[in-house]
Amino acid sequence: NAGVTQTPKFQVLKTGQSMTLQCAQDMNHEYMSWYRQDPGMGLRLIHYSVGAGITDQGEVPNGYNVSRSTTEDFPLRLLSAAPSQTSVYFCASRPMRTGELFFGEGSRLTVL
Amino acid sequence: ELKVEQNPLFLSMQEGKNYTIYCNYSTTSDRLYWYRQDPGKSLESLFVLLSNGAVKQEGRLMASLDTKARLSTLHITAAVHDLSATYFCAFDSGGSNYKLTFGKGTLLTVNP
Repeated sequence: NAGVTQTPKFQVLKTGQSMTLQCAQDMNHEYMSWYRQDPGMGLRLIHYSVGAGITDQGEVPNGYNVSRSTTEDFPLRLLSAAPSQTSVYFCASRPMRTGELFFGEGSRLTVL
Repeated sequence: ELKVEQNPLFLSMQEGKNYTIYCNYSTTSDRLYWYRQDPGKSLESLFVLLSNGAVKQEGRLMASLDTKARLSTLHITAAVHDLSATYFCAFDSGGSNYKLTFGKGTLLTVNP
């Protein structure tokens, strides 16, 4: 029962570097999303997808790109990392019409 | 703009006491979720409330939903130290995007 798998769990970047956070789910969920969690801010939605080939912006999309080529995978790309992107990132999936989100274990990113 | 307001944001309790966390949301929704997060961990689903008047209980926690008042509550009965965690509510905005909007969380500390 893998559920939602995120990699890497920890990453340190320098300002301006790029990287991709990987997310995969094995529950055949149509909906996948990325959140960032910062102290005192709760969880804020970055991007989400309702199916392969369909993505949309959430509350805080600037500086991030996503794609959804398969049902299983939903990578999050940082094109040019900034210190403001230091955060914990959670990938989550859910069945389309009902049910709660299932979260990955999180990826802690530090941008120096 | 979709908003979720939780209060209190910080709650320090003694073991054995009762308390309630409140979650107000800004738009019509009949799907409300409660999550628990332990320090450094991911979010774990506690309750899914899918209709007005829904009440669910698990151990010392009970959640309810009043869609007319746009209010959900998480009641803690006879708190124990193991309940120390951050609790989030989230509501489903429905429509065609199925996004979940989270509150900022309530950090609960249960003291002996």
